[in-house]
Amino acid sequence: KAGVTQTPRYLIKTRGQQVTLSCSPISGHRSVSWYQQTPGQGLQFLFEYFSETQRNKGNFPGRFSGRQFSNSRSEMNVSTLELGDSALYLCASSDGTGNQPQHFGDGTRLSIL
Amino acid sequence: GDSVTQMEGPVTLSEEAFLTINCTYTATGYPSLFWYVQYPGEGLQLLLKATKADDKGSNKGFEATYRKETTSFHLEKGSVQVSDSAVYFCALSDPPSYNNNDMRFGAGTRLTVKP
Repeated sequence: KAGVTQTPRYLIKTRGQQVTLSCSPISGHRSVSWYQQTPGQGLQFLFEYFSETQRNKGNFPGRFSGRQFSNSRSEMNVSTLELGDSALYLCASSDGTGNQPQHFGDGTRLSIL
Repeated sequence: GDSVTQMEGPVTLSEEAFLTINCTYTATGYPSLFWYVQYPGEGLQLLLKATKADDKGSNKGFEATYRKETTSFHLEKGSVQVSDSAVYFCALSDPPSYNNNDMRFGAGTRLTVKP
């Protein structure tokens, strides 16, 4: 079974720009969650999509948004980029039930200049 | 809200030493508990899990037991190898009845094993 695929692996942007990250979940998984990982804050939950609907949301500003398509692929968008948005963005998929593990992709490393 | 606290690192051990990484949790219900491992440049990989009290998760020589009385899920390995060097994350998720997939992670513990 193919794992979770995130594209691109690396991105360099400048302040004020916007960016879109993509995540393809494991086949059959309907839940996709997004996390931001930084050395200072660790792993922070952004949001979760399940069957094309945002089911859960963390404490991030509205500049961070996402969506999920009918094939369960998900995109995350960050607008008006700030230096502090530099991070590893991880996507994880699961079948959507609470006691099943999430399977992570290798992440997109976003650097803001 | 539900949360996880794990011991701060970094932890440095010699090869074949015994490993313990402490993890305690706070939860109102009966969460599922997980250990994930992250190697450099990669995402998180599930190491083991336990879904109810007294369950023992095990994988690749690592073990952790779900202790409800002490709200703990400590990770142990009897003899570490250089290849075990990585960052380890303890995590919990709500039970299925909560109908969400929100996973809470600890801060991570960096383990370095020296030959």
